[in-house]
Amino acid sequence: QVELVESGGGVVQPGRSLRLSCAASGFAFNTYAMHWVRQAPGQGLAWLAVISYDGTSKYYADSVKGRFTISRDNSRNILFLQMSSLRVEDTAVYYCARDQAPGNYFFFMFSWGQGTPLTVSS
Amino acid sequence: EIVMTQSPATLSVSPGERATLSCRASQSVSNNLAWYQHKPGQAPRLLIYGASTRATGIPDSFSGSGSGTEFTLTISSLQSEDFAVYYCLQYHDWPPGYTFGQGTKLEIK
Repeated sequence: QVELVESGGGVVQPGRSLRLSCAASGFAFNTYAMHWVRQAPGQGLAWLAVISYDGTSKYYADSVKGRFTISRDNSRNILFLQMSSLRVEDTAVYYCARDQAPGNYFFFMFSWGQGTPLTVSS
Repeated sequence: EIVMTQSPATLSVSPGERATLSCRASQSVSNNLAWYQHKPGQAPRLLIYGASTRATGIPDSFSGSGSGTEFTLTISSLQSEDFAVYYCLQYHDWPPGYTFGQGTKLEIK
């Protein structure tokens, strides 16, 4: 079955950079678009970014555009989120999610990982 | 940006009773609307997509309806495991710009 395991979270100072990873298994990773979503403490879910199955198309929420970069390594079945100029308000649990259907489409988040927590604090 | 508004913020219902959750879009999203269940410390779980199609393995006690700007998630007979936070998501925007509602917390009365 689909398994998504996020890693790379932790505690980081404001202004620093960090890269999150999401290891995927149980499906043909290189055929699905993938998403990053986060949940800040006491807040709801917020979509951050999506990347096409082949990595050629990427879209971002305005809140992270220019600071976060989504990428993927289809040879290793891993999704990444490179985060720079981190702010206190980036503190959240970060989830990766697989899109609904394979191919060059963007639908919605179908399967989710358990998330990795990130705290941005001095 | 399409804004999604859920109501109520908190809903208190007794086990065995029906729960009705609402989601409103600031502009039409057609039927490009999904519902998720989220429990603390767990991965969000897809319940409904296409406004009314149940995801695989979701019991028929969950049903979705609506189109355009008004949507409803109904849980016909609440079980203890159904108490959670529920989010709607629009996936109509292009280029992709997904937006969630702020969530409805379904709690035991």
